[in-house]
Amino acid sequence: ILNVEQSPQSLHVQEGDSTNFTCSFPSSNFYALHWYRWETAKSPEALFVMTLNGDEKKKGRISATLNTKEGYSYLYIKGSQPEDSATYLCAFTSGSARQLTFGSGTQLTVLP
Amino acid sequence: GAVVSQHPSRVICKSGTSVKIECRSLDFQATTMFWYRQFPKQSLMLMATSNEGSKATYEQGVEKDKFLINHASLTLSTLTVTSAHPEDSSFYICSARNTDTGLAYEQYFGPGTRLTVT
Repeated sequence: ILNVEQSPQSLHVQEGDSTNFTCSFPSSNFYALHWYRWETAKSPEALFVMTLNGDEKKKGRISATLNTKEGYSYLYIKGSQPEDSATYLCAFTSGSARQLTFGSGTQLTVLP
Repeated sequence: GAVVSQHPSRVICKSGTSVKIECRSLDFQATTMFWYRQFPKQSLMLMATSNEGSKATYEQGVEKDKFLINHASLTLSTLTVTSAHPEDSSFYICSARNTDTGLAYEQYFGPGTRLTVT
């Protein structure tokens, strides 16, 4: 059974604050690590797919890093805005099973 | 591009009845679609992989006779919850893999269906 853990489970930040959260995953048989952004009543939206150790990806104010040797990824949001409020999911794909195994998500609320 | 729709978004049914949920890829072809289930405060759990023109592959612990999957075309997969019971109440969400891009890990998600069995 593959275990993908996300922390924290939820957090509240003030508008303008920067924040980050963690995804840990099995370090063996790694294929890809995904980050999704999921707003209520909408489809999960893919933010990043990372495949190489040391990968860093950036989209606007959001960025992510990947450490496959120790099995963790960080998602950073710089200068949080209320529209960043969502649940952020990470998902792991192993080399043997090309399926997504999800963490339970981090629910972010950005207060105006 | 890469839009996936799901219908209905919300359904309430009586215990013992069957409910069908549709998952459509609107602007791409999807040989493979996936069905997930989410209980409150838990992660999305893969139930089954749906393959166009062939039988679905179910994850361990998922009853194939209870959760019937049909993937009859390259843009449509359906999940039928048969003889539903209150414990089947959950959030069901599908995803589709773009056949044209062929990326093994890239999936596009629908918005999900909230099923409540009374």
